[in-house]
Amino acid sequence: AQTVTQSQPEMSVQEAETVTLSCTYDTSESDYYLFWYKQPPSRQMILVIRQEAYKQQNATENRFSVNFQKAAKSFSLKISDSQLGDAAMYFCASIILRFGAGTRLTVKP
Amino acid sequence: NAGVTQTPKFRILKIGQSMTLQCTQDMNHNYMYWYRQDPGMGLKLIYYSVGAGITDKGEVPNGYNVSRSTTEDFPLRLELAAPSQTSVYFCASSLRDPLNTQYFGPGTRLTVL
Repeated sequence: AQTVTQSQPEMSVQEAETVTLSCTYDTSESDYYLFWYKQPPSRQMILVIRQEAYKQQNATENRFSVNFQKAAKSFSLKISDSQLGDAAMYFCASIILRFGAGTRLTVKP
Repeated sequence: NAGVTQTPKFRILKIGQSMTLQCTQDMNHNYMYWYRQDPGMGLKLIYYSVGAGITDKGEVPNGYNVSRSTTEDFPLRLELAAPSQTSVYFCASSLRDPLNTQYFGPGTRLTVL
């Protein structure tokens, strides 16, 4: 069985500061991908970043980066220079199609 | 490109009614998926398809049926609506297997009363 756990149901960050969202997972697969999705109030799911498990280098997409610890099965998302538009639900996901419960991020102006 | 489109956006059903949620993608993706998202929860996979004519069950398939007669379309059918099926439904597609990036539709909010 594959499980994905997000232990922070809500987080808050000041605009322009950095926040880290946590995610742990469990899988028996040897090769897999991990994803962070953003879900704004419009409810559409938007891919933020993905990480291939075979790559040691942490993925980075502009202000978004991950800290991937394969041995610890940890996959945290760091958002730098937080913007008001970053406020949303953030979901961590792994193959095959297992989503965590989500973390609601509030950005304070 | 339109990407993944879903209709309707909202729907209210009475218990026992049936309906079909439509999903279409124009990216020529082989894989398509149906998820449901309950309040405060992540997504759960209902059904998926690896290509036209091939479908398989996901995590929560009971009460639903799917078909995949073309690459573009992947409708989800509810035969006897129940209050437990009140949820937001997302359709998604990916070029190849689930390891690839999935593209999501805007969702359908379904309420069963």
